[in-house]
Amino acid sequence: NAGVMQNPRHLVRRRGQEARLRCSPMKGHSHVYWYRQLPEEGLKFMVYLQKENIIDESGMPKERFSAEFPKEGPSILRIQQVVRGDSAAYFCASSPRRFQETQYFGPGTRLLVL
Amino acid sequence: EDQVTQSPEALRLQEGESSSLNCSYTVSGLRGLFWYRQDPGKGPEFLFTLYSAGEEKEKERLKATLTKKESFLHITAPKPEDSATYLCAVQAARQAGTALIFGKGTTLSVSS
Repeated sequence: NAGVMQNPRHLVRRRGQEARLRCSPMKGHSHVYWYRQLPEEGLKFMVYLQKENIIDESGMPKERFSAEFPKEGPSILRIQQVVRGDSAAYFCASSPRRFQETQYFGPGTRLLVL
Repeated sequence: EDQVTQSPEALRLQEGESSSLNCSYTVSGLRGLFWYRQDPGKGPEFLFTLYSAGEEKEKERLKATLTKKESFLHITAPKPEDSATYLCAVQAARQAGTALIFGKGTTLSVSS
């Protein structure tokens, strides 16, 4: 059973460009979560999605960030007009159900903004 | 405010020297407490889930315990391959109740 897959693993963008991060959940999992890990800080929750629905986006920055999980295909975290402060590791996790369920993490995407 | 604090920040052990990592939490209704291991440049790897005070779980040299205010990860006779950052996270009974709230982790180094 393949684990959570994320691509790309490393992404370099210049200030002002767009970054698109992709996440394919584990087989049988329909709940996807995005977390960000800034240097020297802990993992911070960003957004929780089910197929075609955003359930909880309380951790998402109000501007430039968006997420989707379409009926077909991977979940996408999109960052518009990136700034240097967006440089971080972005992790996706998935679970089979909503509450009290272990979230399994992918390998992450390391975003570097020049 | 829901909060997770891990201590110590870093721990150096000799191979075979047992110790414990601490995770203190303040949360409005605990749905679950999770332990993960993270190696440099990789994603968190799931270790344990604990749901209620008094619960214990074991896996090889690791044992996790839970009280109403904290959790411990006991490492018995560690080996160099146990070197990693250990993360504690809680899931709180908030509105959506799904986000994991992480501590900053304890970085364990085991030398032979």
